[in-house]
Amino acid sequence: QKEVEQDPGPLSVPEGAIVSLNCTYSNSAFQYFMWYRQYSRKGPELLMYTYSSGNKEDGRFTAQVDKSSKYISLFIRDSQPSDSATYLCAMSYGGSQGNLIFGKGTKLSVKP
Amino acid sequence: NAGVMQNPRHLVRRRGQEARLRCSPMKGHSHVYWYRQLPEEGLKFMVYLQKENIIDESGMPKERFSAEFPKEGPSILRIQQVVRGDSAAYFCASSPGQGFNEQYFGPGTRLTVT
Repeated sequence: QKEVEQDPGPLSVPEGAIVSLNCTYSNSAFQYFMWYRQYSRKGPELLMYTYSSGNKEDGRFTAQVDKSSKYISLFIRDSQPSDSATYLCAMSYGGSQGNLIFGKGTKLSVKP
Repeated sequence: NAGVMQNPRHLVRRRGQEARLRCSPMKGHSHVYWYRQLPEEGLKFMVYLQKENIIDESGMPKERFSAEFPKEGPSILRIQQVVRGDSAAYFCASSPGQGFNEQYFGPGTRLTVT
């Protein structure tokens, strides 16, 4: 079983739709959870990070962590064509272990 | 405030040559991480460095790959005797300090081995 599982998509939605992106993980030791957005041939851009279980909102984006289910989600409200990108979830053990473990990414296309 | 800088952005090497990838972290950041992204694969951690110190190299291939972050200047990822399988996008990220802090990524270096 992979440490972090993410449906690669592609996911296609109409402009204005609510998008739900998800990742599951197997290791309960993960403490920090992040979502990155990556446009084609660009570097990943940090969108959201959360510590442990709970919700965090930033503008049109909401990140949700459910540690009991080992499941994290990113919701995008009022999606725009400019949101079309690959979304990567990432996790970290924290402490002195700085490396991030990434999902493979979900490719999202928002159609005008 | 400049972000993470990487150069070159594109690098073409013939099999057997050496590749040197450079990364300058964000201002005020003293921790650097290198990741590799293969086609159709996710980002994979390679190495974590502070100035003059390798913290974690558990993701680094045992042979041909090395990394450094000197007291002055950028971090360098060095690949000796490149092979076709080394063709990938190499990303550098930086963070302000030890323990978890958000990691900010550079634009990447796309290495092509011919």
